Amino acid sequence: DVKVTQSSRYLVKRTGEKVFLECVQDMDHENMFWYRQDPGLGLRLIYFSYDVKMKEKGDIPEGYSVSREKKERFSLILESASTNQTSMYLCASSFVRGLNTEAFFGQGTRLTVV
Amino acid sequence: GENVEQHPSTLSVQEGDSAVIKCTYSDSASNYFPWYKQELGKGPQLIIDIRSNVGEKKDQRIAVTLNKTAKHFSLHITETQPEDSAVYFCAARAPGFQKLVFGTGTRLLVSP
Repeated sequence: DVKVTQSSRYLVKRTGEKVFLECVQDMDHENMFWYRQDPGLGLRLIYFSYDVKMKEKGDIPEGYSVSREKKERFSLILESASTNQTSMYLCASSFVRGLNTEAFFGQGTRLTVV
Repeated sequence: GENVEQHPSTLSVQEGDSAVIKCTYSDSASNYFPWYKQELGKGPQLIIDIRSNVGEKKDQRIAVTLNKTAKHFSLHITETQPEDSAVYFCAARAPGFQKLVFGTGTRLLVSP
């Protein structure tokens, strides 16, 4: 089975802290994504990466950065956490091409910034 | 860019009834339309998808229909069961793009 693993289920951080959310996938997928999930807003794309060291901004990149040093790992970084970044964060991965382009999601990290 | 609207935001049905969730998309070039189910405490999981060269696809109790002219697609669940209770997301993707654009989600509650 494909597995996308997020390092934490729950995190509580203080305003101004630098926060790292880690995601690892075991299917050799080229694409990896970070989404943010908020009630009534659905899933909004923060950043994605289609290859090692490559990154593209999504729809809401402000206040976030990412790192992809290895194919299986994609990190989301909150440079200086703020209360409006309290949310559920979802990582996903998929193949780049071919018929099988299903996106597989991790279980999510619920981040609270106080 | 692509924009996906999803309705209703909540849907309550009795066990055994049918449920329909509708989505519209804005980019006529989009050609891939998946549906995801998110159970409590879990990440979304693909339940069915359809490509633009197909008008309808079925998998047991679930089906998806696509109307390219009107740019809308729908999820149909028949003979609903309590375990169908979850949040459902539609999404769309244009060719040449890797990212999915999601709708805002529908919370389905199936009462016994």
